[in-house]
Amino acid sequence: GESVGLHLPTLSVQEGDNSIINCAYSNSASDYFIWYKQESGKGPQFIIDIRSNMDKRQGQRVTVLLNKTVKHLSLQIAATQPGDSAVYFCAENQGAGGTSYGKLTFGQGTILTVHP
Amino acid sequence: GAVVSQHPSWVICKSGTSVKIECRSLDFQATTMFWYRQFPKQSLMLMATSNEGSKATYEQGVEKDKFLINHASLTLSTLTVTSAHPEDSSFYICSARIAGVDTQYFGPGTRLTVL
Repeated sequence: GESVGLHLPTLSVQEGDNSIINCAYSNSASDYFIWYKQESGKGPQFIIDIRSNMDKRQGQRVTVLLNKTVKHLSLQIAATQPGDSAVYFCAENQGAGGTSYGKLTFGQGTILTVHP
Repeated sequence: GAVVSQHPSWVICKSGTSVKIECRSLDFQATTMFWYRQFPKQSLMLMATSNEGSKATYEQGVEKDKFLINHASLTLSTLTVTSAHPEDSSFYICSARIAGVDTQYFGPGTRLTVL
């Protein structure tokens, strides 16, 4: 089946820098994308989402960019803080209708380490 | 809002025994719940989709007779790992979804260790 993948498995940044985490997806039918943050020993925490009819969405210190032409998703974190250190996963919803509705496919994850 | 809990948070059992994990949506009704498994340093892998009042839909390669899922109410789903073996040791995470809303809300996970 199709899957979501990440370009960089690890990312180290200095506190205060901006972080960019990338994700490639291959399922052109996906219409909804989500970024999750997972700290060690915990469940994923919703960060931000975006639908396929948008190319950019901003939250508090985070921005998600969607490029459907090249099937690429990115998460930008502004002024990265030590508390942002975690594993970040992108996930795609495989589209409405049928048995796939609501199912998420997760990417492999990127470990973000923020140095004080 | 949209809080999902899991119980227990961790469990250690002997090989051959069965373990039940509960997933509850605390402040909303979840028409659909999902069960994932996550091995160390790996991503989440969907095991099954559970709709209230109906049989769960299992992903390819997941044994439905080994991983029993019950979704008896709109706030509770249970996963029972039957005849557990050391290779079943993993982090099991559930998520819940409100009808008509795409976002899935995740529980804190349950660490299962089978000796």
